[in-house]
Amino acid sequence: DIYMTQSPSTLSPSVGDRVTITCRASQNVSPWLAWYQQKPGRAPKLLIYKASTLQSGVPSRFSGSGSGTDFILTITSLQPDDFATYYCQQYNDYPYTFGQGTKLEI
Amino acid sequence: QVPLVESGPGLVKPSETLSLICSVSDASITRDYWSWIRQPPGKGLEWIGNIYHSGSTNFDPSLQGRVTMSVDTSKNQFSLRLTSVTAADAAVYYCARSFSPSQGGGWFDSWGQGILVTVSS
Repeated sequence: DIYMTQSPSTLSPSVGDRVTITCRASQNVSPWLAWYQQKPGRAPKLLIYKASTLQSGVPSRFSGSGSGTDFILTITSLQPDDFATYYCQQYNDYPYTFGQGTKLEI
Repeated sequence: QVPLVESGPGLVKPSETLSLICSVSDASITRDYWSWIRQPPGKGLEWIGNIYHSGSTNFDPSLQGRVTMSVDTSKNQFSLRLTSVTAADAAVYYCARSFSPSQGGGWFDSWGQGILVTVSS
């Protein structure tokens, strides 16, 4: 299996901050990586796929970058609606695997 | 994105079989790949497996032997069966859509709302 490790596990930013979340894979998965946002009691929502492609309808303050084993989700100018948990997911190989999540706390 | 709706019992007894159905709207189940993903309370996301309309499946090795999936193209539904459940199988179960893995399409663009399954006698 490919193991995905996110850092940090929690973050306490302020509205307007630039936020970066890192995802590291146990082997090369490039460019087959996605990012999701999940709010309590809700299904995850796709933000980015293929490492850097923004899903339709997702605000442009979200961006993805990286290659090989190291990837970054960046949120520029954090908004109140962005406080949630974020997951990365690799789909380079089966079984598909997720990171453990990064929670943005108020 | 397409609407997906999970249905099935919310309570399963230990050692029995968990059975869930995902109904797909506004898209044909004969396209794309269809997954089950679960999330234990307070924990992260776990991919269980996926199925193509041909019946071809892929499963997480940790569940191999206990999990089966099937597709009903006439009803535009797919299903999950997980046998010999224990407390560790208690989770919110989601169904989701992804695309052809041979074309690098393994991201999930559509999710159901999730169904909470409790394992208890």
